Amino acid sequence: AQKVTQAQTEISVVEKEDVTLDCVYETRDTTYYLFWYKQPPSGELVFLIRRNSFDEQNEISGRYSWNFQKSTSSFNFTITASQVVDSAVYFCALNEGYSTLTFGKGTMLLVSP
Amino acid sequence: EPEVTQTPSHQVTQMGQEVILRCVPISNHLYFYWYRQILGQKVEFLVSFYNNEISEKSEIFDDQFSVERPDGSNFTLKIRSTKLEDSAMYFCASRLGYEQYFGPGTRLTVT
Repeated sequence: AQKVTQAQTEISVVEKEDVTLDCVYETRDTTYYLFWYKQPPSGELVFLIRRNSFDEQNEISGRYSWNFQKSTSSFNFTITASQVVDSAVYFCALNEGYSTLTFGKGTMLLVSP
Repeated sequence: EPEVTQTPSHQVTQMGQEVILRCVPISNHLYFYWYRQILGQKVEFLVSFYNNEISEKSEIFDDQFSVERPDGSNFTLKIRSTKLEDSAMYFCASRLGYEQYFGPGTRLTVT
């Protein structure tokens, strides 16, 4: 069975600080996909990134970067120079092949001015 | 850019009433999903639908729930007799490839 653990329930930072959100996953499959979603206070789920199990290259998109390490089953998300607009709940999710998404419990990020 | 839409954005209903939540998936997508998020908790899978039938369902998706694709565009979730604990945000999603695209959600409040 697949499982996603986000151990950090809530993180508070001051604007311009860097912050890393942790995600650890469990799966028996060799083919799987990892995702990060952002849920702002308005409630919708905003897709941030998808990563497949065969691609361990780290990715950078503007202030966002992702560190995928199969050896530790982790897919961590870093926001550089955080901004107040980054305040949201961030979910890590996993699916095996074409199966359904399994979400972690989410990490609430509070960025204060 | 095509997107998944959901109506209504907020539904208030009394316990025991039936509700239908509506979704319009992205037009060329083949797989459809409903997820639920109780306030402050994680997003949980309810059901997946492909080729006009349920392909997978979770333990949450019991006999009071049903899904339907009544025409070529809509995908609905019906809750037959709502309970207080059904209060949650319900997300519809659709996909063609690996990535699921989520709708904005319907907030269901059962009083």
